[in-house]
Amino acid sequence: AQKITQTQPGMFVQEKEAVTLDCTYDTSDPSYGLFWYKQPSSGEMIFLIYQGSYDQQNATEGRYSLNFQKARKSANLVISASQLGDSAMYFCAMREDLSGSARQLTFGSGTQLTVLP
Amino acid sequence: NAGVMQNPRHLVRRRGQEARLRCSPMKGHSHVYWYRQLPEEGLKFMVYLQKENIIDESGMPKERFSAEFPKEGPSILRIQQVVRGDSAAYFCASSPNPLSGANVLTFGAGSRLTVL
Repeated sequence: AQKITQTQPGMFVQEKEAVTLDCTYDTSDPSYGLFWYKQPSSGEMIFLIYQGSYDQQNATEGRYSLNFQKARKSANLVISASQLGDSAMYFCAMREDLSGSARQLTFGSGTQLTVLP
Repeated sequence: NAGVMQNPRHLVRRRGQEARLRCSPMKGHSHVYWYRQLPEEGLKFMVYLQKENIIDESGMPKERFSAEFPKEGPSILRIQQVVRGDSAAYFCASSPNPLSGANVLTFGAGSRLTVL
């Protein structure tokens, strides 16, 4: 079974609008962390936001927020007021703290976001 | 304060040759991770190293691939007798401590290997 599922291969959003990128995860560990990274066309991986499984509040970092629904095992990324520079591939990733994968991140297949002028 | 430095950024090899990819972690980081990204896919974990130790190599192919992180110098990912299927982007990441809590991996820009 996929540990991280990103069901949207591609998304389009109008500049200045908000967009939600979906991410669902699968783990039996009670303690885990969820991450979003951005990969622009230049190829580097840029950290955006982190959510811990025990965090009571949804994480926010500037225009990025994470809609964490623990019971649904979803960790959707919300980008408000989209900018042309937001066009990139976005990856959701998970760290499981008690299983053998505590030492690494497991990534989803990514969502290609295109912001339209 | 330089980030994670990877070189070369682009490497072209013919089938059967060797590829060596280098990674210098961020200053103060002693934990290094290598990931591989095949075209149109997400990153797949390969190996996790600390200085002079391989901690987790569960993602490394059993043959032709090896990694090291010596006491002095960069971490090296070595691929012997490359095949076309090895063509991918190889990312190095580092962290100051073992991955836990809000500890974030900082990635390099990647090394793109093309096997002809």
